[in-house]
Amino acid sequence: AQSVTQPDIHITVSEGASLELRCNYSYGATPYLFWYVQSPGQGLQLLLKYFSGDTLVQGIKGFEAEFKRSQSSFNLRKPSVHWSDAAEYFCASIIQGAQKLVFGQGTRLTINP
Amino acid sequence: GAVVSQHPSRVICKSGTSVKIECRSLDFQATTMFWYRQFPKQSLMLMATSNEGSKATYEQGVEKDKFLINHASLTLSTLTVTSAHPEDSSFYICSARLAGGREQYFGPGTRLTVT
Repeated sequence: AQSVTQPDIHITVSEGASLELRCNYSYGATPYLFWYVQSPGQGLQLLLKYFSGDTLVQGIKGFEAEFKRSQSSFNLRKPSVHWSDAAEYFCASIIQGAQKLVFGQGTRLTINP
Repeated sequence: GAVVSQHPSRVICKSGTSVKIECRSLDFQATTMFWYRQFPKQSLMLMATSNEGSKATYEQGVEKDKFLINHASLTLSTLTVTSAHPEDSSFYICSARLAGGREQYFGPGTRLTVT
């Protein structure tokens, strides 16, 4: 069955430090992959997406993610975090031709001043 | 572009009453809309998928008679929670997708509290 795993439930980093949030998917074919961010009490905002082509994708707010087929991973990175990046981050995938978006469990990001 | 709105953003209702939540795609036509439920500190759980003009497809374990979904136009889907109970209190989020599109655009969510 299609599944997405975010191994880290909660991550704390200092403002200005680099960030990497992990995401792994499990099925044979390459899915479409997404990262969303959710601030408290808000809906989800799309940060970036991967469909095909260049495996390093750039998103909004200075985020990027790299698709690694060999590791079934799509990790999110940011070189220098800002206090406003504190939020919940969700990795999600959809199998080509399917309708349903499958979400990971989410990673809560806390920023220390 | 690709903005999705939800109304209301917050609603409090008494146990046993029904409440309707609207989801609108403001600047595009959404052939498919999705309804999710999110409990505190948890991920989103898909409740149902609705295609314009046809019956919604409910996920396993979701009561279709309790959570009525209507997708009457290409820009509007509604979720009606019938005979609400306190355990229905949750954060409900909708999303919408363009015809042939791959990504979903999410609404801001509706906080339902049943007293």
